[in-house]
Amino acid sequence: GQNIDQPTEMTATEGAIVQINCTYQTSGFNGLFWYQQHAGEAPTFLSYNVLDGLEEKGRFSSFLSRSKGYSYLLLKELQMKDSASYLCAVMDSNYQLIWGAGTKLIIKP
Amino acid sequence: GAVVSQHPSWVICKSGTSVKIECRSLDFQATTMFWYRQFPKQSLMLMATSNEGSKATYEQGVEKDKFLINHASLTLSTLTVTSAHPEDSSFYICSARDIEREYNEQFFGPGTRLTVL
Repeated sequence: GQNIDQPTEMTATEGAIVQINCTYQTSGFNGLFWYQQHAGEAPTFLSYNVLDGLEEKGRFSSFLSRSKGYSYLLLKELQMKDSASYLCAVMDSNYQLIWGAGTKLIIKP
Repeated sequence: GAVVSQHPSWVICKSGTSVKIECRSLDFQATTMFWYRQFPKQSLMLMATSNEGSKATYEQGVEKDKFLINHASLTLSTLTVTSAHPEDSSFYICSARDIEREYNEQFFGPGTRLTVL
């Protein structure tokens, strides 16, 4: 079956760095997405990886290793507004998004 | 660009009534739209994939006669929850895929919070 695993919850300190991991097993692979979702709101797109390596976008970076079925989202210089759930999603061979359960990130002052 | 709107933002209805939710892509054409449901503290659950001009594809366990989906144009899809019951209370989110974009990412509407009394 298809499976996306990510930690349920993480806590970090304002100004610090946090890495959110995601491992996946899917039927086919057409890219991996990271979305941010604040409580009570819809998800917003953060990043997309389809080739191995690191994609950097401001304070956020995303890494992919297709051979290991592994990705991480790296958040630097954490701000209180980064408190949210972070969703990992893989696009399978049918271009369908398979969603992880999300990682709730709590930022403490 | 790539803005998706949803209406209404929230709705409260009595058990047994039907509720229609609209999803619109405002500045792009979306041949494919997706309907999700999200219960508190849970992940997104795909309900169905809606393709313009054809019947929606429902995920396993989703009743097509209860959740009616119509994708009549390239910018509008509707979800009608028929004979709603309290267990249908949830956060319903639509998304649309902009085929002109390089990444095929989905852009989400703001969601509709449905409460069935």
